[in-house]
Amino acid sequence: QKEVEQNSGPLSVPEGAIASLNCTYSDRGSQSFFWYRQYSGKSPELIMFIYSNGDKEDGRFTAQLNKASQYVSLLIRDSQPSDSATYLCAVDTSGGYNKLIFGAGTRLAVHP
Amino acid sequence: GAVVSQHPSWVICKSGTSVKIECRSLDFQATTMFWYRQFPKQSLMLMATSNEGSKATYEQGVEKDKFLINHASLTLSTLTVTSAHPEDSSFYICSAPRDSKNIQYFGAGTRLSVL
Repeated sequence: QKEVEQNSGPLSVPEGAIASLNCTYSDRGSQSFFWYRQYSGKSPELIMFIYSNGDKEDGRFTAQLNKASQYVSLLIRDSQPSDSATYLCAVDTSGGYNKLIFGAGTRLAVHP
Repeated sequence: GAVVSQHPSWVICKSGTSVKIECRSLDFQATTMFWYRQFPKQSLMLMATSNEGSKATYEQGVEKDKFLINHASLTLSTLTVTSAHPEDSSFYICSAPRDSKNIQYFGAGTRLSVL
């Protein structure tokens, strides 16, 4: 059974701090890794994607990938209350067909 | 703007009736689309992969006769919940990969309430 694991949280950080979200996956054949943000009652929206080991930065967001450790993380710098949401880690399956496996999500709460 | 359109956004129906949900890719062709279900405070669960011009591929435990999927064109997939019951009440979301990078874009979702 291919799995994606995330700490459900809630992760509570003060406004302006760095939020660190972590994800591990079981399928060593996975090649594509995604972070989605989901506000309550809404559908997920793409935040970041990463394919290669190392860091990828986009504005206040940095995705980090370590394929050897089967670990992917998302850092949010200068956290804002509007960042409060559930963050879903998604990993493609080596079986192809673009199928993604989602983690259960980490709920982030940024307090003023 | 949105790249995947999903309708309706909210539907209430009586137990025993059928409900159809549409998912359209905007400005791109999608030979594959995905249907998910999400219960409150739970993650997305993949129900099935919709394949243009062929049968859908259902995940284990999903009843294909209850959740009918039709992908008749390169821009439209439909999910029909047949003989809906209160336990089918959930948030249904479709997605489509837009490019070779396997970036999936989600529709806005359909909240189904079965009375």
